[in-house]
Amino acid sequence: NAGVTQTPKFQVLKTGQSMTLQCAQDMNHNSMYWYRQDPGMGLRLIYYSASEGTTDKGEVPNGYNVSRLNKREFSLRLESAAPSQTSVYFCASSDRDRVGRTEAFFGQGTRLTVV
Amino acid sequence: DAKTTQPPSMDCAEGRAANLPCNHSTISGNEYVYWYRQIHSQGPQYIIHGLKNNETNEMASLIITEDRKSSTLILPHATLRDTAVYYCIPLGGSNYKLTFGKGTLLTVNP
Repeated sequence: NAGVTQTPKFQVLKTGQSMTLQCAQDMNHNSMYWYRQDPGMGLRLIYYSASEGTTDKGEVPNGYNVSRLNKREFSLRLESAAPSQTSVYFCASSDRDRVGRTEAFFGQGTRLTVV
Repeated sequence: DAKTTQPPSMDCAEGRAANLPCNHSTISGNEYVYWYRQIHSQGPQYIIHGLKNNETNEMASLIITEDRKSSTLILPHATLRDTAVYYCIPLGGSNYKLTFGKGTLLTVNP
């Protein structure tokens, strides 16, 4: 059982380049999330998807786009990377169980450096 | 959404109980209190959650005050591997976005 898988694990981009971070989960969860974590800081929510085909902005959406094409996958796109987007990006998924518990599972993170 | 207040850092001796407080005075009636932790460089990990009653699982205990305005996470016998940032997060009802505040850095010392 893989859980939440993020690719790539590491990436270096030049300013202005674009790239897509991929996230897939195999737990049949409805909700998926993208976070960024800067050094010494907490996680900040970029975008959220409550279900397939829906997305919602989080705390820091500027400079990012997301796509939830199916239930398994939630991708994060940087159209024109900037050094301020250097960060560790985490993807997560969750669902509410029969007793109302919402436990989120996280991927291992993508370490992105923009030079 | 409910706001939380946690101390930025705490220390605990190995083998002793670690008690981590959280104030969530604006929590709504249908929001649960969730606790997660993040060990350095890893993705956050779920610990425990509760609504009104105290809860216990294999990792920790959660004490929620009767007015639900604050809670305490208890690690009964802290180990060095419990050194992490601990987050208290209200979640549920109309609040469905899992957002993290600054949390408490717990350092367990030998």
